[in-house]
Amino acid sequence: AQTVTQSQPEMSVQEAETVTLSCTYDTSENNYYLFWYKQPPSRQMILVIRQEAYKQQNATENRFSVNFQKAAKSFSLKISDSQLGDTAMYFCAFMKFRGGNTPLVFGKGTRLSVIA
Amino acid sequence: DGGITQSPKYLFRKEGQNVTLSCEQNLNHDAMYWYRQDPGQGLRLIYYSQIVNDFQKGDIAEGYSVSREKKESFPLTVTSAQKNPTAFYLCASSIWTELSSTDTQYFGPGTRLTVL
Repeated sequence: AQTVTQSQPEMSVQEAETVTLSCTYDTSENNYYLFWYKQPPSRQMILVIRQEAYKQQNATENRFSVNFQKAAKSFSLKISDSQLGDTAMYFCAFMKFRGGNTPLVFGKGTRLSVIA
Repeated sequence: DGGITQSPKYLFRKEGQNVTLSCEQNLNHDAMYWYRQDPGQGLRLIYYSQIVNDFQKGDIAEGYSVSREKKESFPLTVTSAQKNPTAFYLCASSIWTELSSTDTQYFGPGTRLTVL
C-alpha cells in the first residue's frame, strides 16, 4: 500500500516571500503520478501542479514549482512570491499508474497562512 | 458550463436514517470517486467507479453504498451502519486517454453531512 506523509501540519510565510512544503511517499510502484492540491476556505479542491514519475524534469506552473527526488521519494512544493490568496490547506497526493483512472492517496495536509 | 456538481451543500441526518449524496458531472469523464474528509485526516477513498455499472471499494467503504447506472452520475448512500458519518464528502471525476496521457482528478464543491 502507498502512503503519503506531510510532516508540516502548519506553516506561515510573509507576503512576497518563498515557502517550501514537504511531502514524502512510500511505494514499490515504478510508474506513478504525484500531485499538489490546494483547498482554500471555500473547501473547493484545486489542482496546483502534477508530476509524472518518469519525467526527470521538475514541473512548474507560474509561481509554483516542485522538487521531485524519485530515489528519495520526496516531492516538495515551492511557492514563490507568496500572495494572500495562497492561504489554504495544501495536500500532496499519489496516484499509481494502472492504465489510468486510479484513486488518489492523500497526505494529511499542510495549512499555509500568508501574512501581509 | 462544464463541471462537477454535488448536492446538497449541507445535509443533516438523524441517527438511524439513510441519506443519499448526489454527484453529477458533464465532463464526459469515465471514472468517478468519493472521498471523505475529516479534520486532520486528509482525504480517504470510500468508493470509485471506472466504468458504468462497475465500482470498487476504497479504504473506508463500510457503511456506504454506491451505484453507477449512468456515466454522469455516482450517488453515495450513507447508511445507518456508518457509525460516525459526520464529515465533508468530496466527489471527483477523471478521464485518461493514451493520446493525452492526462490522468487528473477534478473535484466537486463537496457536501457537509452532520448527524444530529
